[in-house]
Amino acid sequence: AQSVAQPEDQVNVAEGNPLTVKCTYSVSGNPYLFWYVQYPNRGLQFLLKYITGDNLVKGSYGFEAEFNKSQTSFHLKKPSALVSDSALYFCAVRVAYSGAGSYQLTFGKGTKLSVIP
Amino acid sequence: DAGVTQSPTHLIKTRGQQVTLRCSPKSGHDTVSWYQQALGQGPQFIFQYYEEEERQRGNFPDRFSGHQFPNYSSELNVNALLLGDSALYLCASSLWGQGTGQPQHFGDGTRLSIL
Repeated sequence: AQSVAQPEDQVNVAEGNPLTVKCTYSVSGNPYLFWYVQYPNRGLQFLLKYITGDNLVKGSYGFEAEFNKSQTSFHLKKPSALVSDSALYFCAVRVAYSGAGSYQLTFGKGTKLSVIP
Repeated sequence: DAGVTQSPTHLIKTRGQQVTLRCSPKSGHDTVSWYQQALGQGPQFIFQYYEEEERQRGNFPDRFSGHQFPNYSSELNVNALLLGDSALYLCASSLWGQGTGQPQHFGDGTRLSIL
């Protein structure tokens, strides 16, 4: 069975400092990994994905993520945090569907990021 | 270009009642997935519809059912509501056959409260 773990319920960082939100995964075969962000009373907004290729993936709003196969991790990073980055962040792994027409996502529990002015 | 739209935004029901939630996918998408997000948790997959058929189903009881219409819009129905059904219900749309892992696009959800 596929699973995603986000070991930190909350991450606090000062504005301007680098931020990291951690994610580890367990999946059969090659993983497709995603990061989504959720603002209060809103749905999930796609940030970035890893499918194949470079281990460092760049996404929206200056975010990037590093895929590490040996550590089965996909940590989200940003060099300089903004107060507006404060939100709930979800890591997700694609669950392949035999018959491969589409797929379902398995999400972690989420990490609340608070950027302190 | 309209994104994924869901209605209603909020809904309050009592135990034992039935509810219908609606979703219109992003323009150009033909596949709709439904997720349940309980408070403090990540979204959990309920089921997925393509060509008006349920294609995949997560670990949810038969009280949860759905439908997809020819225009690709979808409904989620929940019967015999329980207190534990209180959650944010998210609809996500995508394009069938996207083996490259194109992201699913999510709506803002319907907040369902059971009294």
